[in-house]
Amino acid sequence: DTGVSQDPRHKITKRGQNVTFRCDPISEHNRLYWYRQTLGQGPEFLTYFQNEAQLEKSRLLSDRFSAERPKGSFSTLEIQRTEQGDSAMYLCASSLARGQHEKLFFGSGTQLSVL
Amino acid sequence: QKEVEQDPGPLSVPEGAIVSLNCTYSNSAFQYFMWYRQYSRKGPELLMYTYSSGNKEDGRFTAQVDKSSKYISLFIRDSQPSDSATYLCAGPARQLTFGSGTQLTVLP
Repeated sequence: DTGVSQDPRHKITKRGQNVTFRCDPISEHNRLYWYRQTLGQGPEFLTYFQNEAQLEKSRLLSDRFSAERPKGSFSTLEIQRTEQGDSAMYLCASSLARGQHEKLFFGSGTQLSVL
Repeated sequence: QKEVEQDPGPLSVPEGAIVSLNCTYSNSAFQYFMWYRQYSRKGPELLMYTYSSGNKEDGRFTAQVDKSSKYISLFIRDSQPSDSATYLCAGPARQLTFGSGTQLTVLP
C-alpha cells in the first residue's frame, strides 16, 4: 500500500491524558498536513510541513498541540492534557508540491474520543 | 463568513438520477477547486480538480466553475448506490479550505 498511513485508527483516552498520533506520508511527497474533522463538518487545517520544516500553524492549534516531522518523512501529532473538545477525527495528508495545483492525498484518519 | 460554503444536505436520490452538488466561495483569488469524496470512517479521496471557468468531465462526473457568480458544482450522472458518500468541495486558501460537505445517499 503506497498511500498515506495513519496509526492508530482509533484512540480512546481519559481527559487529561496525553496522546500521540503517527502519519506516514506517500514516500516521495515533500509536504505533510494535519487536519481535524468533527462530525458533519469538513476538515479544518491545523498545520503543515515542507520537508522537516513546520511552515504554518492554525489558530486552532493550541499550545497543547505539537507536531513534528523530524527527518522529513513520518510525522507525529501530540495532544497534551486532552479535553473533551479534542474529540475528533485527525487527518493527515501529503502532497508533492509542484507548480500551482497542489493535490492532497489523505489517510484514513485517527478517531480520537476523550472521555 | 467561511471562504467555502456548501449545501449541507443530506441529499437522497434514486439510483440512476442526476445529482447536483453545489458550493459557493468568497475569495476571488481562488484559481482552482477540488472535489473530494469521503466514505464513512475514511479519509477524503480526491475525486476531481478543476480550474478556471467552464466544465471538466471525468466519466460520470462533471465539475463546473462559474467565476462570475463564485459558484462550484459537481454533477453525477447515472448515480449508483456506491456513490453514497459525503462530497466535499475545497478551494486553495492559504491552505486547502473545505466546505462542510454534502451527504449523498443513492437508493437502489
